[in-house]
Amino acid sequence: QQQVKQSPQSLIVQKGGISIINCAYENTAFDYFPWYQQFPGKGPALLIAIRPDVSEKKEGRFTISFNKSAKQFSLHIMDSQPGDSATYFCAASTGNQFYFGTGTSLTVIP
Amino acid sequence: NAGVTQTPKFRILKIGQSMTLQCAQDMNHNYMYWYRQDPGMGLKLIYYSVGAGITDKGEVPNGYNVSRSTTEDFPLRLELAAPSQTSVYFCASSYPPRAVNTEAFFGQGTRLTVV
Repeated sequence: QQQVKQSPQSLIVQKGGISIINCAYENTAFDYFPWYQQFPGKGPALLIAIRPDVSEKKEGRFTISFNKSAKQFSLHIMDSQPGDSATYFCAASTGNQFYFGTGTSLTVIP
Repeated sequence: NAGVTQTPKFRILKIGQSMTLQCAQDMNHNYMYWYRQDPGMGLKLIYYSVGAGITDKGEVPNGYNVSRSTTEDFPLRLELAAPSQTSVYFCASSYPPRAVNTEAFFGQGTRLTVV
């Protein structure tokens, strides 16, 4: 059973456009929601994270929107660049574990 | 800073062979994890450890074993390799997920093929 459901599986965006990746969860015990970025041949690396006491967190061109009542959160990449082309994973954690979504392969076309 | 170091980077095993994937971290993290990554399936947790001497099963533990004798090292053992274990394996470490600056640091991965 997938604890965190992520969509879309793949995404193609023009340079300068907005990339949006969505995730949903059921377990209300989750209290930390990070996003990881993975380039080919590398391990995932933390991009941005949010806790459920805030509805939005912005770091540069990356924004997490969090809807606690709907149990959904999303990553918005503004002004997408070819260098943003990577696989993005949402995740959620309880006290001991991180549960990851299935990943979104983002391609930004120049 | 080495961070999380995994060895080997690549390995081909024959069915029925065994091997140990090594993982070491130098950040004094109590928590360590082993994930496998399959196309379209995301990262599945195999085993995790919350400290030396303590390990627990994740989502997909069958066919694997782990030990945690020190804070730094968390090896993953495959006893009887099967084609279904062909995957990319990632080791990670972190402070407790509820800590203020929680971030899971990942190694570079081990690409394992079982033939």
